[in-house]
Amino acid sequence: AQSVTQLDSHVSVSEGTPVLLRCNYSSSYSPSLFWYVQHPNKGLQLLLKYTSAATLVKGINGFEAEFKKSETSFHLTKPSAHMSDAAEYFCVGGTGANNLFFGTGTRLTVIP
Amino acid sequence: KAGVTQTPRYLIKTRGQQVTLSCSPISGHRSVSWYQQTPGQGLQFLFEYFSETQRNKGNFPGRFSGRQFSNSRSEMNVSTLELGDSALYLCASRRTGNNDYEQYFGPGTRLTVT
Repeated sequence: AQSVTQLDSHVSVSEGTPVLLRCNYSSSYSPSLFWYVQHPNKGLQLLLKYTSAATLVKGINGFEAEFKKSETSFHLTKPSAHMSDAAEYFCVGGTGANNLFFGTGTRLTVIP
Repeated sequence: KAGVTQTPRYLIKTRGQQVTLSCSPISGHRSVSWYQQTPGQGLQFLFEYFSETQRNKGNFPGRFSGRQFSNSRSEMNVSTLELGDSALYLCASRRTGNNDYEQYFGPGTRLTVT
């Protein structure tokens, strides 16, 4: 079965420190992988996507993610957290017959 | 280019009523998907429409239905509302359907059932 697993439901970091949000995927095929961010009472905004080109993907707002096939991971990172990064983050995978599967989300808290 | 729009943004209904939510996709996008988001269940897939046909369906009761028009705009209907239907309903569009998974989300409709 295809799925993504977000390993942390909640991550808390201090402003200016690195951010790491973890996502593992399970897929029989090479998936397309995405990270989305959702601020309170808003829709989901695409941060970045992996579609079998470069394994290191750069996104908006200084975020990037690395696709590691050997570890079946697609972790999201940012060198320095800003207060505005506080939000919910979703890892999403897509494969096969137009199937999308969502992670359960990671809530990022940024401490001033 | 305008983003995905959803109307209304907020809605309050009582149990037993029905509701219709509307979604206008990004111009040129032919696929529209609907999701329900609640604190307890997270983000759950309702259904996807492509070229006016429902292509995928999540695990929701028949009270939840939808349709898509020739201009790709989509509506979602929930009949006989229950308290548990209170949620943020998100619509997302994408360009084609075939193995193009990049979705663009609207701001959502917040439905409260009392």
